[in-house]
Amino acid sequence: AQSVAQPEDQVNVAEGNPLTVKCTYSVSGNPYLFWYVQYPNRGLQFLLKYITGDNLVKGSYGFEAEFNKSQTSFHLKKPSALVSDSALYFCAVGARGFKTIFGAGTRLFVKA
Amino acid sequence: EAGVAQSPRYKIIEKRQSVAFWCNPISGHATLYWYQQILGQGPKLLIQFQNNGVVDDSQLPKDRFSAERLKGVDSTLKIQPAKLEDSAVYLCASSSRRTPYGYTFGSGTRLTVV
Repeated sequence: AQSVAQPEDQVNVAEGNPLTVKCTYSVSGNPYLFWYVQYPNRGLQFLLKYITGDNLVKGSYGFEAEFNKSQTSFHLKKPSALVSDSALYFCAVGARGFKTIFGAGTRLFVKA
Repeated sequence: EAGVAQSPRYKIIEKRQSVAFWCNPISGHATLYWYQQILGQGPKLLIQFQNNGVVDDSQLPKDRFSAERLKGVDSTLKIQPAKLEDSAVYLCASSSRRTPYGYTFGSGTRLTVV
């Protein structure tokens, strides 16, 4: 069965420090992996995706994520957090022939 | 390009009433999705359209929910009758054949059933 897990409900980080938001998945076949961000009262905004190719994927607003097949992970990272990065982040996984499913979300709080 | 348009932004209804949501996807996007996002949870796919045909409606509660995309462009999602547990944000998204995995989401409709 296909699944995605975001083990942390909330991540707290100081402005200027690196941030990591974790995501692990389970899927049959080659995964398609995504990160979305949601600001209050807004829809989900696409950040980045991994379909194939380089394991390190760079996306919007300085975010990047690394696909690790052996650990079935796709953690979201940013070298230097901004207060404006505070939002709700969703990891999603899909595969050929399967619908994309979303994790429960991780709230990122960046303190000035 | 214009984004995915949804209306209304907010809706409050009493249980057992009916409600409808509207979505206009990005021009040229053949695939349209309706998601339900309950507070504290990730979005859950309710139904996926490819043009005017249904691709996946396995998680749509068909006894009360219905959706259509008659001309393969805009879509309507209806709930009749509504239950308290239907309180959620209903998100519409679309994607194109060129970027099938790059969904663009609308701002959503927040439904409160009282």
